[in-house]
Amino acid sequence: QQQVKQSPQSLIVQKGGISIINCAYENTAFDYFPWYQQFPGKGPALLIAIRPDVSEKKEGRFTISFNKSAKQFSLHIMDSQPGDSATYFCAASLGGSYIPTFGRGTSLIVHP
Amino acid sequence: DAGVIQSPRHEVTEMGQEVTLRCKPISGHNSLFWYRQTMMRGLELLIYFNNNVPIDDSGMPEDRFSAKMPNASFSTLKIQPSEPRDSAVYFCASSLASGTANQPQHFGDGTRLSIL
Repeated sequence: QQQVKQSPQSLIVQKGGISIINCAYENTAFDYFPWYQQFPGKGPALLIAIRPDVSEKKEGRFTISFNKSAKQFSLHIMDSQPGDSATYFCAASLGGSYIPTFGRGTSLIVHP
Repeated sequence: DAGVIQSPRHEVTEMGQEVTLRCKPISGHNSLFWYRQTMMRGLELLIYFNNNVPIDDSGMPEDRFSAKMPNASFSTLKIQPSEPRDSAVYFCASSLASGTANQPQHFGDGTRLSIL
């Protein structure tokens, strides 16, 4: 059973464009939603995270939008750069737990 | 600061051989996780430890897989005997788990395992 569904599986964006990756979850008890970024040959690394008490969190060019009623959250990468080309994973975890449930990942390619 | 250190980075071996993957978590972290990543199944949690004690190994595929954490600074994942379908990238991650606050996981760079 996939508790966190991520889309699209792959995404190609031109330099300067906006990259949008979406995730939907089923368990309403989830209360921590991190995004991880993974470059080839490396392990995933925490990029940005949000808790459900806010609808948006921005860090530089990266923004998480959170819709609690729809049980959806998304990652927006503004002014996408070739260096952003990587695989992005959304995740969700329960309060007091430290074990995230990961989405399947999105391979992002930003063309120069 | 040193991150999570995994060894070897690459392992190529023949079917039936024993494979041992090693992990050194970040100093001070009390939780350790082993993941397997494949194109077909994405990131799968195999087992996790809290304070060196295995808490949940329900993700371990079968009895051929075993994991140990003899102390807070070292863990191993062993496959015996190995099979071609075990080929994947294996990641170790660690975190500082507190009772109420979610903490991010810190991943190593993985071991790329190929079973011929």
